[in-house]
Amino acid sequence: GEEVAQTPKHLVRGEGQKAKLYCAPIKGHSYVFWYQQVLKNEFKFLISFQNENVFDETGMPKERFSAKCLPNSPCSLEIQATKLEDSAVYFCASSPRSGTDTQYFGPGTRLTVL
Amino acid sequence: GQSLEQPSEVTAVEGAIVQINCTYQTSGFYGLSWYQQHDGGAPTFLSYNALDGLEETGRFSSFLSRSDSYGYLLLQELQMKDSASYFCAVREAGKIIFGKGTRLHILP
Repeated sequence: GEEVAQTPKHLVRGEGQKAKLYCAPIKGHSYVFWYQQVLKNEFKFLISFQNENVFDETGMPKERFSAKCLPNSPCSLEIQATKLEDSAVYFCASSPRSGTDTQYFGPGTRLTVL
Repeated sequence: GQSLEQPSEVTAVEGAIVQINCTYQTSGFYGLSWYQQHDGGAPTFLSYNALDGLEETGRFSSFLSRSDSYGYLLLQELQMKDSASYFCAVREAGKIIFGKGTRLHILP
């Protein structure tokens, strides 16, 4: 597609439950990035992929967060045992190549942990 | 590591010009980008400077000075719809690092 698609738009989970978010990058884009934005503040980088390979995962809290980008499937970000502080908007962005800083963002998934 | 500094808020009058500054510290530099985010919306790309100088796109211009590790976004003929947050960003290897954003308030 011509836009980055993210589902669901909103997600509510009880503390300790699992949350799974999906992202379909723009067709033809090789790079996918995940960010967490808390309370309209700065974007925290989580992880990036080059096609199905992890490109940079230095921002991932690995004990509870995992992500995948498999061929012919939307990319996913999964949070095991959610915590209150995971409440945020999670943005996915795609980019056609690594040499450009132009990122195309999806509309985001708002995760609320109760 | 990398860090970016930009003012948290700026206020300007409709029809005027406003400049949003950004200074950065990087271990390697590829270029400076600017993004706009309206409340409740997704960030949208505005501009990118890899080389020193001014890049102009309509009412928006962006400037970079690599020797000063400094750039700015210039918005001209401000309109109420320009009320938003503006983020500068730099690339480090496989990720983009964003500043904390500048909230632009526009007065009628």
